[in-house]
Amino acid sequence: DVKVTQSSRYLVKRTGEKVFLECVQDMDHENMFWYRQDPGLGLRLIYFSYDVKMKEKGDIPEGYSVSREKKERFSLILESASTNQTSMYLCASSFRQSRLSGNTIYFGEGSWLTVV
Amino acid sequence: DAKTTQPNSMESNEEEPVHLPCNHSTISGTDYIHWYRQLPSQGPEYVIHGLTSNVNNRMASLAIAEDRKSSTLILHRATLRDAAVYYCILWSSNTGKLIFGQGTTLQVKP
Repeated sequence: DVKVTQSSRYLVKRTGEKVFLECVQDMDHENMFWYRQDPGLGLRLIYFSYDVKMKEKGDIPEGYSVSREKKERFSLILESASTNQTSMYLCASSFRQSRLSGNTIYFGEGSWLTVV
Repeated sequence: DAKTTQPNSMESNEEEPVHLPCNHSTISGTDYIHWYRQLPSQGPEYVIHGLTSNVNNRMASLAIAEDRKSSTLILHRATLRDAAVYYCILWSSNTGKLIFGQGTTLQVKP
């Protein structure tokens, strides 16, 4: 079975802390994505990556950075967490040819982050 | 980026067909139309996708308007397990982005 695994399901962090959200996929996918999901705002793209060490900004990159040192792993980093980053974070992955063929994207279960 | 517009919520009776509409009037020629659904406390799961022609799979059917400015997800016989938020999404083959709409919350009544 296809698997996108997010390291933490629930986290509580303090304002100003550095936060790492890890995502691993076992499907040899080239593309990986990070979204956040908030009530009334739907899913919004933070960053995505087409290959190792490659990243592109999504719609709401401010306050976030990412790291893709290995093909299977895509990390989302909150350099200094703030309360407005309390949200549910979703990781996703797909094959590169999805850019041309629109193939399936696979999502993780989500990470619920609360910043206090 | 092209946007999608969906009704906030819909209701259906169990065992009846459900037609979930989506408008995407600014879709570009290379954008694929995807549908995903999300159950409570879970990540979205793939339902179906298409480009120009209607598509069928074991979960649903996708009807795409001839001008591609709208599409309809059809669940042939709704079950209680189909209660979820359904997202109509455009996959931009130019940017690689997935552009989510607000989604439609489907309630299925027994």
